[in-house]
Amino acid sequence: AQSVAQPEDQVKVAEGNPLTVKCTYSVSGNPYLFWYVQYPNRGLQFLLKYITGDNLVKGSYGFEAEFNKSQTSFHLKKPSALVSDSALYFCAVRGGNQGGKLIFGQGTELSVKP
Amino acid sequence: KAGVTQTPRYLIKTRGQQVTLSCSPISGHRSVSWYQQTPGQGLQFLFEYFSETQRNKGNFPGRFSGRQFSNSRSEMNVSTLELGDSALYLCASSLQTASNEKLFFGSGTQLSVL
Repeated sequence: AQSVAQPEDQVKVAEGNPLTVKCTYSVSGNPYLFWYVQYPNRGLQFLLKYITGDNLVKGSYGFEAEFNKSQTSFHLKKPSALVSDSALYFCAVRGGNQGGKLIFGQGTELSVKP
Repeated sequence: KAGVTQTPRYLIKTRGQQVTLSCSPISGHRSVSWYQQTPGQGLQFLFEYFSETQRNKGNFPGRFSGRQFSNSRSEMNVSTLELGDSALYLCASSLQTASNEKLFFGSGTQLSVL
């Protein structure tokens, strides 16, 4: 069965510092991995995805993610956090012929303080 | 291009009633999927439709149903509402149902069951 784990419910960083939001996955076959962000009272917005190829994926708003097959991880990173990055972040996985069915992690609340 | 539109934005119902939620996908998108978001269970997949056919179904009771029309608009229905059905219901659309496609989410319908 496919699953995603986000081990941290909350991550706090100071503005200007680098941030990392962790994600590990379990899927049979090649994984398709995604990061989405949710702002209060809004739907989810796509940040980036890993399908195949380079292990470092660049996405929207300066975010990037590193795919590590041996550690089955897909951590989200940003070199310099902004206060406006404060939001709820979801890692998701899709495997095989799953179409639109995404399996989401529980979410990590990112808080960036000035 | 307009995004995914969900109506209504908020709904208040009482136990035992039924409710219908509507979703209009991005123009040209043929796949629509539905997710339930609650603080306790997180984001859970309900079902996916493509070209008026249900392609995938999550682990929800039969009280939850959906359909898709020829113009790709989708509705989901919940009958005999229970308190636990209170949640944010998110609709997402994509061009096809390929596993590497990103989903575009609407802002959701917040359902409160009293």
